[in-house]
Amino acid sequence: AQSVTQLDSQVPVFEEAPVELRCNYSSSVSVYLFWYVQYPNQGLQLLLKYLSGSTLVKGINGFEAEFNKSQTSFHLRKPSVHISDTAEYFCAVSDDGQNFVFGPGTRLSVLP
Amino acid sequence: DVKVTQSSRYLVKRTGEKVFLECVQDMDHENMFWYRQDPGLGLRLIYFSYDVKMKEKGDIPEGYSVSREKKERFSLILESASTNQTSMYLCASRVGQDNQPQHFGDGTRLSIL
Repeated sequence: AQSVTQLDSQVPVFEEAPVELRCNYSSSVSVYLFWYVQYPNQGLQLLLKYLSGSTLVKGINGFEAEFNKSQTSFHLRKPSVHISDTAEYFCAVSDDGQNFVFGPGTRLSVLP
Repeated sequence: DVKVTQSSRYLVKRTGEKVFLECVQDMDHENMFWYRQDPGLGLRLIYFSYDVKMKEKGDIPEGYSVSREKKERFSLILESASTNQTSMYLCASRVGQDNQPQHFGDGTRLSIL
């Protein structure tokens, strides 16, 4: 069964600094990868997804992620964060496009 | 925009009560899901449904049941609530095609006293 690891449970970063949130998954022939964001007291919103093609995926709010098959990783990056990016971020993986496994989440805190 | 609506944002119930959590989506999605979200554990799948009248157990179905009598509505039932079911519950829906993402409701924070 697929599993997802988000090594950092909390990431504090100063405003306008770059950030990388890490996601690793257990090996599989092919996977579909997603990042979701959860703002306080809200449900999850899709940030971006990788299905196939270019390994660099651009999403909403200036975020991007890079699929690395050899490292089984899908790290999320933003070159300059804002206070409004403070939220919890979840990586999700699917082997078959129907069933999804979520990581434990990373809480990003952007400090002024 | 897809709208997934959960009937309650906050709910407080007593141990032993039968609890209903309701979820409605307005985009004619085939698939619907119930997760619980706990700190450090992320989202864990309780039950899901591929279509009306269909249901499948997720990773942690014990103590829960579901009902999908209409395509737009997916109900989660706690038959006899216990304190370890205090959690945030998230409903999601998606088109029943490969690789389509899930759309989530805002969650119901349930406290069992």
